[in-house]
Amino acid sequence: DAKTTQPTSMDCAEGRAANLPCNHSTISGNEYVYWYRQIHSQGPQYIIHGLKNNETNEMASLIITEDRKSSTLILPHATLRDTAVYYCIAHYNQGGKLIFGQGTELSVKP
Amino acid sequence: DAGITQSPRHKVTETGTPVTLRCHQTENHRYMYWYRQDPGHGLRLIHYSYGVKDTDKGEVSDGYSVSRSKTEDFLLTLESATSSQTSVYFCAISDQGTGNTIYFGEGSWLTVV
Repeated sequence: DAKTTQPTSMDCAEGRAANLPCNHSTISGNEYVYWYRQIHSQGPQYIIHGLKNNETNEMASLIITEDRKSSTLILPHATLRDTAVYYCIAHYNQGGKLIFGQGTELSVKP
Repeated sequence: DAGITQSPRHKVTETGTPVTLRCHQTENHRYMYWYRQDPGHGLRLIHYSYGVKDTDKGEVSDGYSVSRSKTEDFLLTLESATSSQTSVYFCAISDQGTGNTIYFGEGSWLTVV
């Protein structure tokens, strides 16, 4: 699995969009970009994943650059409950081990 | 929530004793994983399984063994617990049928004294 790089921490004002970047410059053509988050002491929670096209679901949007070397997770209207560690992972969509990096600690402030 | 149950959820044990953590799923997913999480280290993969009796090592497998005799159960065993194995342990499952999205259990807190 390709290595990903994320900022260690970010702040966001409540109600504003939170844009979390991720670099995955060595990603291969068959690797998907997955995003998870972990709220303190809980199990990680799946958010979204994509291969080439931008994706949107009820939680977030995922924007992947055309060269697929980076992506951005967008939480459109961040709330205090979105405060968590967010993990970006490049992974083959065929099972196998899933390796987590250090993630980005997002703090949503009133 | 994905049908994942970890047991026990909390355990305190003494150094040198064997400990087994159980992960039970009701989703019939093919892949199962054990991770540990420690302050400053994020989630680290211990072992994973890609089918009954098929397992492989992760990043931090030393001191741990696993077994999967049924699709629904994945056991993590610490043969002789050490204080360095004090951690939170998360089980996870995935399947190609769900886009290989991985779902996590709620964690098992293990303290080795």
